[in-house]
Amino acid sequence: GNSVTQMEGPVTLSEEAFLTINCTYTATGYPSLFWYVQYPGEGLQLLLKATKADDKGSNKGFEATYRKETTSFHLEKGSVQVSDSAVYFCALRVITGNQFYFGTGTSLTVIP
Amino acid sequence: DAGVIQSPRHEVTEMGQEVTLRCKPISGHDYLFWYRQTMMRGLELLIYFNNNVPIDDSGMPEDRFSAKMPNASFSTLKIQPSEPRDSAVYFCASRRTSGSWTGELFFGEGSRLTVL
Repeated sequence: GNSVTQMEGPVTLSEEAFLTINCTYTATGYPSLFWYVQYPGEGLQLLLKATKADDKGSNKGFEATYRKETTSFHLEKGSVQVSDSAVYFCALRVITGNQFYFGTGTSLTVIP
Repeated sequence: DAGVIQSPRHEVTEMGQEVTLRCKPISGHDYLFWYRQTMMRGLELLIYFNNNVPIDDSGMPEDRFSAKMPNASFSTLKIQPSEPRDSAVYFCASRRTSGSWTGELFFGEGSRLTVL
């Protein structure tokens, strides 16, 4: 089946620290991969996406590379800011379906 | 551009009462999704529509839940009767079929439901 597994939180980092949030997936078809971010009290919004193997999605200093060989799409940022505090969701969608499959979310808190 | 609009943002009700949540998708979007978010279960897909037609309602927890989409610009999620375990944040999301099948989901800000 289709599913996404992401690292358990919560994650607490100091400002300017390096961030990695792991995400792995299983898919019956050829998926597109996404990272969504949810700020407190808000809905989810797309952070970045990648549509094929070896693609790198990037936005706001965040990056993730679609690794087909390891079925992974890990989220990274070189220097986090307090404003990055949020919940991050990894998700996939396969070409043959309409559903998005979301991970359980990883809460990130960045302290000054 | 207006995003996905949900109402009410917050709803507090007593067990047994009927609850109706509303959603206006982004104009031109032909897919509409209802999700429920709780701490215990994360983000769950309840039902989705394509061109106003329900396609998959297998995530609807039980008969107390129903959803409708009478036209392309409006959908409702109804819970009758409500129970405390229905307390959650309910999100509506929409998407447009495009030449690229990777079309992203756009989420509303959610309706936080508390059933006492």
